Amino acid sequence: AQTVTQSQPEMSVQEAETVTLSCTYDTSENNYYLFWYKQPPSRQMILVIRQEAYKQQNATENRFSVNFQKAAKSFSLKISDSQLGDTAMYFCAFMKHWRSGNTPLVFGKGTRLSVIA
Amino acid sequence: SAVISQKPSRDICQRGTSLTIQCQVDSQVTMMFWYRQQPGQSLTLIATANQGSEATYESGFVIDKFPISRPNLTFSTLTVSNMSPEDSSIYLCSALGGAIDTQYFGPGTRLTVL
Repeated sequence: AQTVTQSQPEMSVQEAETVTLSCTYDTSENNYYLFWYKQPPSRQMILVIRQEAYKQQNATENRFSVNFQKAAKSFSLKISDSQLGDTAMYFCAFMKHWRSGNTPLVFGKGTRLSVIA
Repeated sequence: SAVISQKPSRDICQRGTSLTIQCQVDSQVTMMFWYRQQPGQSLTLIATANQGSEATYESGFVIDKFPISRPNLTFSTLTVSNMSPEDSSIYLCSALGGAIDTQYFGPGTRLTVL
């Protein structure tokens, strides 16, 4: 079974600064996907960024980037130029490749990020 | 990406009653899932909604309590039966869409049981 661990229950960052959220996971799978989802108070789960395990290049989406270390099973999220709208709960999630069969998401416990003006 | 809607967005229900939550996707998808998010917690998978066959439930969730239907590739329902206050949660549906490598979520249903 897969597990996802987020060791930082809460974090805060000053507006315009950079913050890194940590995530580690455990799996015996070789092909899989990793995600960061954002959940603001509206409770909508919003996809922030996706990484395919077979790609060595770290994914980037505008101000969001990841540091994917497959051997270490680490998948951290870096938010640059933090904005007040980034305030939310952030969940790291794992999904097996669809060829492995059923592919629900396995979530970490989340990190609550507060961006301070 | 897939656009997913859920109805109702929220409800307050009495103990012992049942509520059916609907999930509609704007395109055909291979897999649909139902998750529960208890207050202040992460998401826990309830079941995989299988098109044309019985849902696949995770440990701790049973069909009598959470019956699920998926009559076609774009629609699914989750019923929370014989509710108790412990069922107060956010219920979210998701779909594996596009290139079947990303899950998208509906806006969730906030359920409060009195």
